[in-house]
Amino acid sequence: EAGVTQSPTHLIKTRGQQATLRCSPISGHTSVYWYQQALGLGLQFLLWYDEGEERNRGNFPPRFSGRQFPNYSSELNVNALELEDSALYLCASSLGGLRDEQYFGPGTRLTVT
Amino acid sequence: RKEVEQDPGPFNVPEGATVAFNCTYSNSASQSFFWYRQDCRKEPKLLMSVYSSGNEDGRFTAQLNRASQYISLLIRDSKLSDSATYLCVVKGYQLIWGAGTKLIIKP
Repeated sequence: EAGVTQSPTHLIKTRGQQATLRCSPISGHTSVYWYQQALGLGLQFLLWYDEGEERNRGNFPPRFSGRQFPNYSSELNVNALELEDSALYLCASSLGGLRDEQYFGPGTRLTVT
Repeated sequence: RKEVEQDPGPFNVPEGATVAFNCTYSNSASQSFFWYRQDCRKEPKLLMSVYSSGNEDGRFTAQLNRASQYISLLIRDSKLSDSATYLCVVKGYQLIWGAGTKLIIKP
């Protein structure tokens, strides 16, 4: 069974540009989570989507947004990139409901110069 | 007080030793608990789920103490490959991640 996939693996942007990151969950999983992990720091929760709806968002500015498509894949958009947005962006999926185990993709490493 | 707290470590432990981590949580209504491990610059991987009092998987044992509001992870006969950061996750209304405990196993 294929795991969570993310693309691209690496992304280099300049300050002020926009970045789009993509995630495909494990087949059958309806929930998708996005996290930011800056180098040497812990996971910071960004967004949670379930059944196409945004269920919760972390303490991030509105320039961080996303969506979930009918096939449950998801996209994270970061507008007006800032240097401090440089981080590993991790996507996780879960079955939803009472099963909360999250399974992570390998991440997208975003570098803002 | 943070919702989920872990000792950041690092724990420096000789190979073959037993090591234990604790994770305390503040929401007494929390229902689900998880341990993940994360290797440097890699994604977290699920280690164990704890839905009742505890769980055991080979050298790894997780225990839940609802009265004192903590979960523990015990690693027996530690291996060099156990070196990683161990993350505790607690679900109340939403999933709350601890900052992790770094473990270094030394030969």
